[in-house]
Amino acid sequence: SYVLTQPPSVSVAPGQTATITCVGNNIGSKSVHWYQQKPGQAPVLVLYGDSDRPSGIPERFSGSNSGNTATLAISRVEAGDEADYYCQVWDRSSYLRVFGGGSKLAVL
Amino acid sequence: QVELQESGPGLVKPSQTLSLTCTVSGASISSSPHFWTWIRQRPGKGLDWIGYIDYSGSTFYNPSLKSRLSISIDTSKNQFSLNLNSATAADTAVYYCAGERQKLIPNGFDIWGQGTMVTVSS
Repeated sequence: SYVLTQPPSVSVAPGQTATITCVGNNIGSKSVHWYQQKPGQAPVLVLYGDSDRPSGIPERFSGSNSGNTATLAISRVEAGDEADYYCQVWDRSSYLRVFGGGSKLAVL
Repeated sequence: QVELQESGPGLVKPSQTLSLTCTVSGASISSSPHFWTWIRQRPGKGLDWIGYIDYSGSTFYNPSLKSRLSISIDTSKNQFSLNLNSATAADTAVYYCAGERQKLIPNGFDIWGQGTMVTVSS
């Protein structure tokens, strides 16, 4: 089955740019979605289709996807961005929806 | 604005059936361009996709749960439901209902319920 690998944790200082990677075999051929989950809350879609933002999501959130790595970038990081972030794809060969293991973003 | 709300028992005995319902408000479950989905999150763990049902009743399940799983839809009540039989402690999790937007291909889960904690224990 298709596997997505994320770093367990990412740390960044306020005002800097945080990058969270999602590694999967030829992930560049897939459409990647990203979710933010704060403690005790449901996940929220922050990027879909690699780099598109749903309405209400700040422009500080951006994404890219090529080769074996997709990346979520959060610029001008704020304390309120502290959360778990999950990448997710649809595996066309199996029709399964697959989530990465999640990355905890800490704002120092 | 479309909202989802899970409901069901918070405690299930081992070997019994775990049953949850998701009520959709703000849109018709029959005409919304979504696959109606269940996702769970075990304590301290990541997100696990369980399966979905579409407006016509077509389903697709995670193979790891397929033998125990049934997802149904009631368009008259604007609800869809999950039944997971032979529950074990490994099924203890927060269960989320979600809507997966369809736009040529699956395009992400853009609607989520608040989640409901289900504990499997005697």
